[in-house]
Amino acid sequence: SQTIHQWPATLVQPVGSPLSLECTVEGTSNPNLYWYRQAAGRGLQLLFYSVGIGQISSEVPQNLSASRPQDRQFILSSKKLLLSDSGFYLCACSTGLGGYTFGSGTRLTVV
Amino acid sequence: ILNVEQSPQSLHVQEGDSTNFTCSFPSSNFYALHWYRWETAKSPEALFVMTLNGDEKKKGRISATLNTKEGYSYLYIKGSQPEDSATYLCAFVPGAGSYQLTFGKGTKLSVIP
Repeated sequence: SQTIHQWPATLVQPVGSPLSLECTVEGTSNPNLYWYRQAAGRGLQLLFYSVGIGQISSEVPQNLSASRPQDRQFILSSKKLLLSDSGFYLCACSTGLGGYTFGSGTRLTVV
Repeated sequence: ILNVEQSPQSLHVQEGDSTNFTCSFPSSNFYALHWYRWETAKSPEALFVMTLNGDEKKKGRISATLNTKEGYSYLYIKGSQPEDSATYLCAFVPGAGSYQLTFGKGTKLSVIP
């Protein structure tokens, strides 16, 4: 079964600073990878998904970008954080019809 | 924009009580419905993936039903225990080949000992 490693668990960053969140997957190859965000009072929202190395699709326009430099590595980035980027970020993977496997998440607070 | 609604938003039950909550989703272009259990400070954990109208799935004291024609799914917990306290999320997958799960906001269950 797949395992997702996601770090850091919490992060406090000033407005305008850069961001890099990393997610790595073990136990599978060629997974579909996802970045979700939960903002305060809202449901999980899909930000990006990737079906392969270098292939990124964005679901919503935003201040963030994603990259997949290796099969089992997915990175979420920003050049300049906004207050509205605060939230709980989850990385997930799927390999078929089964449920997704999620990482433990990163709580980002932009101050 | 796909609309996935969960009710109630939160729920408090006594230990030993049985409970259920609802997920409603679009009844057209259905592919799958997922249920997840999300405990505080942990990763969401997949409970069920349901694909067929009339599906009933069970995992211990937790079960779920699916009605794709009317666009709803129920999650049941029999004899609630404190360790069942968590947020229960449902997620809708539209159309074969879609990569997007659209999540509801969840039902937060608190089981009082």
